[in-house]
Amino acid sequence: KAGVTQTPRYLIKTRGQQVTLSCSPISGHRSVSWYQQTPGQGLQFLFEYFSETQRNKGNFPGRFSGRQFSNSRSEMNVSTLELGDSALYLCASSLAQRRTGEQYFGPGTRLTVT
Amino acid sequence: DAKTTQPPSMDCAEGRAANLPCNHSTISGNEYVYWYRQIHSQGPQYIIHGLKNNETNEMASLIITEDRKSSTLILPHATLRDTAVYYCIRSFNNAGNMLTFGGGTRLMVKP
Repeated sequence: KAGVTQTPRYLIKTRGQQVTLSCSPISGHRSVSWYQQTPGQGLQFLFEYFSETQRNKGNFPGRFSGRQFSNSRSEMNVSTLELGDSALYLCASSLAQRRTGEQYFGPGTRLTVT
Repeated sequence: DAKTTQPPSMDCAEGRAANLPCNHSTISGNEYVYWYRQIHSQGPQYIIHGLKNNETNEMASLIITEDRKSSTLILPHATLRDTAVYYCIRSFNNAGNMLTFGGGTRLMVKP
């Protein structure tokens, strides 16, 4: 079974631009969560989607948004990029049948904002 | 904010058991303990989880104290490929898929 895939793997943007990152979960997984990882703040939860609905949201500004499609694929968008948005963005999927914490992470998208 | 306390770093000799401690003294009765690891430049990898009883799978064993205030992840025969940051996480089973990661323990397995 294929793992979680994320595209693109690397991205360079300039301040003020916007960016869209994509995540394809493991086949059959209906929950997709997004995390941001930076050297200073570590791994931080952004949001979770299940059946196209946002189920949980972390403490991030409204510039960070996401959505999930009917095939469970998910995208996250960051508008008006700031230098501090440079990070590794990780997507994780799970069956979410019992809302367990057992998640499967993708390799991440490394975003650099200049 | 659910917190756990882990030593920032540990060393282990290749082939020996790696015992990674985690303190979660304020854990609630229905909070699970999860362990993940993150090898450099990769996404975190689920290892194991438990509630009260000790658990074992093909990767590791999880020992939870009777009072549930601490736990130990055991890698029985550490290899160089086990060098990673190991995260101990508390999570309610109905909290959705929202994990709160702390600083973790950087395990260095040495030849």
